[in-house]
Order: sequence, then C-alpha cells, then structure tokens
Amino acid sequence: AQSVTQLGSHVSVSEGALVLLRCNYSSSVPPYLFWYVQYPNQGLQLLLKYTSAATLVKGINGFEAEFKKSETSFHLTKPSAHMSDAAEYFCAVRDDYKLSFGAGTTVTVRA
Amino acid sequence: GAGVSQSPSNKVTEKGKDVELRCDPISGHTALYWYRQSLGQGLEFLIYFQGNSAPDKSGLPSDRFSAERTGGSVSTLTIQRTQQEDSAVYLCASSPGGPNNYGYTFGSGTRLTVV
Repeated sequence: AQSVTQLGSHVSVSEGALVLLRCNYSSSVPPYLFWYVQYPNQGLQLLLKYTSAATLVKGINGFEAEFKKSETSFHLTKPSAHMSDAAEYFCAVRDDYKLSFGAGTTVTVRA
Repeated sequence: GAGVSQSPSNKVTEKGKDVELRCDPISGHTALYWYRQSLGQGLEFLIYFQGNSAPDKSGLPSDRFSAERTGGSVSTLTIQRTQQEDSAVYLCASSPGGPNNYGYTFGSGTRLTVV
C-alpha cells in the first residue's frame, strides 16, 4: 500500500514569507502524488499533481511542488504567502484506485 | 454536471435516526468514492464504486453504514441508527476511472451532526 506523511500539523507564516509544507511518501511503485487545499466549510480543491512527467510541478495560486525520488519527498512551496492562503493542506498518493491522504497541515498567515 | 454535488450540505439528526447522504458525480465519471473527515481522524476512505459495483467497501466502519449507486451515477450513503461518533463531514469524489486515472474531483461535503 502507498502512504504519505505530512510533517507538521500547523504552520504559521508572515504575509509575504515563504510557505513550505512537507510531505514524504512511501511507495513500492512510481507514485502519483497530489496536493489539495481545503478552505473552511468547503470541500477539497486540487492544487497540483505529479504523474511522472516533470519533477517540478506548478499548480494554482502560485504553489509548486518538487518530486524528489532520492528523498521520497513532494514538498509544497509558495514564495510569498498571502492572507488568502490560510487553509488546511493535504498531501495524497494514489493507492491503486483511491487516494490515501496525509493528516493535513493547517496554515495560518500573520499580517 | 460541472462538478460533484452533495446534498444536504448540513444535516442535524437525533441519535438513533437513519440518515441518507446523496452524491451526484461529474457526468461520465465511472469511479465514485466516499470519505469521512472527522476531528482527529483526518480523511478516511469509506467505499469505492466502479460503475454500480462496489469492489472495495473496506472502509465502512460498521454494518450501520451502507451505500449504493444507481445508473452509474448518483450514490447514496445511508447511516442507520446514528451515533454521536458518526458526526463528521462526509465527502464524495468522482474520477474518470481506468489506469490513467489522475483526476479526482471532490464535492463540498455533507456536515452531519448527531445530537
């Protein structure tokens, strides 16, 4: 079975600062990896996905993630945080036909 | 439809009552999934449909939970004799299915509160 681990349940950043959310995967086959964002009282919105093409994946809202096989990582970054980035972020891996999720990281943005 | 639609968006029910949650997937998506999101438990997989069949029901927590899908489209998740621990957000997702399946789209969820 494939799985992901998100390091850090809460991250607090200042507006304009770098956002870095960590995700490590465990997979016996080349993984398909995803980052989703969840705003309060809403469903999950896809930020980006890695499907074995380019290792640097660009997503919506200025986010990007880099697939590093040597580190089994797929960390999410955004160079400059905005107040609207406050949300919960989930890393996920395709496990056969379904998605398996990490525990989530809540991001707060300080003015 | 354009997205995955779930109804109701909020449901408050008394302990012991039965509830039905509905999911209307994206037209043409053959795969449909139910997840449960509760405090401290993250996102738990409940059940997977391919067409009208459910090859994986392994995440259903007890025999009080059941789900069906008809016409390869709408799915209903039923919880019988609800308990307070069933309080959670129930999310539905659909995808095109098949080996190159990367496109999972989620609905906005049904927030269930059992009082």
